[in-house]
Amino acid sequence: DTEVTQTPKHLVMGMTNKKSLKCEQHMGHRAMYWYKQKAKKPPELMFVYSYEKLSINESVPSRFSPECPNSSLLNLHLHALQPEDSALYLCASSPGTAYGYTFGSGTRLTVV
Amino acid sequence: KNEVEQSPQNLTAQEGEFITINCSYSVGISALHWLQQHPGGGIVSLFMLSSGKKKHGRLIATINIQEKHSSLHITASHPRDSAVYICAVRAPTGANNLFFGTGTRLTVIP
Repeated sequence: DTEVTQTPKHLVMGMTNKKSLKCEQHMGHRAMYWYKQKAKKPPELMFVYSYEKLSINESVPSRFSPECPNSSLLNLHLHALQPEDSALYLCASSPGTAYGYTFGSGTRLTVV
Repeated sequence: KNEVEQSPQNLTAQEGEFITINCSYSVGISALHWLQQHPGGGIVSLFMLSSGKKKHGRLIATINIQEKHSSLHITASHPRDSAVYICAVRAPTGANNLFFGTGTRLTVIP
């Protein structure tokens, strides 16, 4: 298995909803990342998990809450989002700092 | 100023043309990545370079560390090559993150 799988592919949620995005990889990669990408912009880093511990949090609002329950799974819990949070949320993994990245196909989130 | 600059921002080519996309960066790096993103889709990693040149099929990537410059070439371009090509660099010390360029939107016309 050489893929990063993200679910769901599309999500529409209201501003009072709670939802979660899921990212899974079975390549044994020990670093996992969440990125946010707005239309026609490059991805922006949100969080990095290294060996299941949060190592980077790029000043992301607390309405986004990451979780890494095990080495294969990364979640992003969403609560009380704003319409401007609508974007493509990408997950990626890598074996370590000297290696390439594998990206998932993303979750397209719309907040209404 | 963005640490990673790409040119051109948009590129339209006829099928079969040779294409070059350029990337310049201003920081020290441990590696440079070329990525491909189709509309509405996820990102595919094409190359990771720390020196020299790599080739995969019709794609060639080069990097000049002294000049802080990399190029992505596509030979015999095809409409299915139409995508956004993104250059991203990884800083050398401990950073477990990529700095992304703004991307080059390539359209190949049949």
